[in-house]
Amino acid sequence: KQEVTQIPAALSVPEGENLVLNCSFTDSAIYNLQWFRQDPGKGLTSLLLIQSSQREQTSGRLNASLDKSSGRSTLYIAASQPGDSATYLCAVNGGGADGLTFGKGTHLIIQP
Amino acid sequence: DTAVSQTPKYLVTQMGNDKSIKCEQNLGHDTMYWYKQDSKKFLKIMFSYNNKELIINETVPNRFSPKSPDKAHLNLHINSLELGDSAVYFCASSHGSDSPLHFGNGTRLTVT
Repeated sequence: KQEVTQIPAALSVPEGENLVLNCSFTDSAIYNLQWFRQDPGKGLTSLLLIQSSQREQTSGRLNASLDKSSGRSTLYIAASQPGDSATYLCAVNGGGADGLTFGKGTHLIIQP
Repeated sequence: DTAVSQTPKYLVTQMGNDKSIKCEQNLGHDTMYWYKQDSKKFLKIMFSYNNKELIINETVPNRFSPKSPDKAHLNLHINSLELGDSAVYFCASSHGSDSPLHFGNGTRLTVT
């Protein structure tokens, strides 16, 4: 059974810093991996999706990497801003009935 | 223009009642999902559905049943509500498993 772990559970950094969020998964047989952000009281917003054949994806200040063989992904946020404060969720898609398996998220606070 | 919309946003009801949550997507996606986010913020899939098949997570009680009147809607019906059903329920949609999921803003269900 797929398990997804995100480290750290919470992170608080000053504005302007570059930071890395980590995600690990136990079963490397995945179709893709997706990073989301969730703001309080809101749904999830898709940030980046990496297919199993890809190594990384970039969108603006965000870069996500995938090392399928080692079961790891990282989300790199450059030049962090207070508006980046949210919970970041990693989810892996193993196909079939399980759909996306989510980690518990990293709660990120960017201090102005 | 809300891509995935759910109603109601909040639902408070008593144990034993039957309730429904509606979901509509205007993205032309062929696959829709229901996820449950518990008090610890852990997201878990309940159902996935496209015009071909319904896939049910084996842990979901049969008191929960999705109904799809058409391709753009997947409503969630819950019978004989229990205290443990209290959670936030998210609807989502995608163009199949290789595409990003788009989530609604969630329905916070409280069973008293």
